[in-house]
Amino acid sequence: EVRLVETGGGLIQPGGSLTLSCAASGLSVSSNYMTWVRQAPGKGPEWVSVIYSDGTTYYADSVKGRFTISRDNFKNTLYLQMDSLRLEDTAVYYCTRIFTMGSGGWIPFDYWGQGTLVTVSS
Amino acid sequence: DIQMTQSPSTLSASVGDRVTITCRASQSVSGWLAWFQQKPGKAPKLLICKTSSLQNGVPSRFSGSASGTEFTLTINSLQPDDFATYFCQQYKSYPWTFGQGTKVEIK
Repeated sequence: EVRLVETGGGLIQPGGSLTLSCAASGLSVSSNYMTWVRQAPGKGPEWVSVIYSDGTTYYADSVKGRFTISRDNFKNTLYLQMDSLRLEDTAVYYCTRIFTMGSGGWIPFDYWGQGTLVTVSS
Repeated sequence: DIQMTQSPSTLSASVGDRVTITCRASQSVSGWLAWFQQKPGKAPKLLICKTSSLQNGVPSRFSGSASGTEFTLTINSLQPDDFATYFCQQYKSYPWTFGQGTKVEIK
């Protein structure tokens, strides 16, 4: 059974930093495409970042240069380092997986964690 | 960026009704379109990928289709468990983008 458990959320002042963790079981973060998706209160989800199995990363423009996605293969854990936090970064942050099929197709976000709430406020 | 526009934003329906939700992409997504269901306080759940491929365990009353850049999620014979918010999402190109959601309410 696949399980993704996010931790590290909390209340942080604007300009501050926070690191989110996503501990995975039932799948390997190093051999999967892993992503972070966030959802602000009352809004639709927003894709934030992805890390491929080969280490390639992509970011949404809204977080580029401020957030860094990474992983620890031994701990089987995904991370999101968030710097220079803004009020608009307030959201529930979810760790998710993209399943890559041999035929070249993808299945997006087939597994989700329960999410961790980040509140940026003074 | 590819914009995804969903309609309606809210839909009132009764158990047994046939419900249709529409999602329009601002440009071609080549069929790389998914649908999610979300209930309050829970993570979204993937229902359909690649426009019309039902995920394992999703009831067959859910179906997806497309005509050009307009995509449709249909729920045949709405069940009590189906009252939720639904989102479309394109994964043709980064940044992957979601629609703003359609809330299906009890009439």
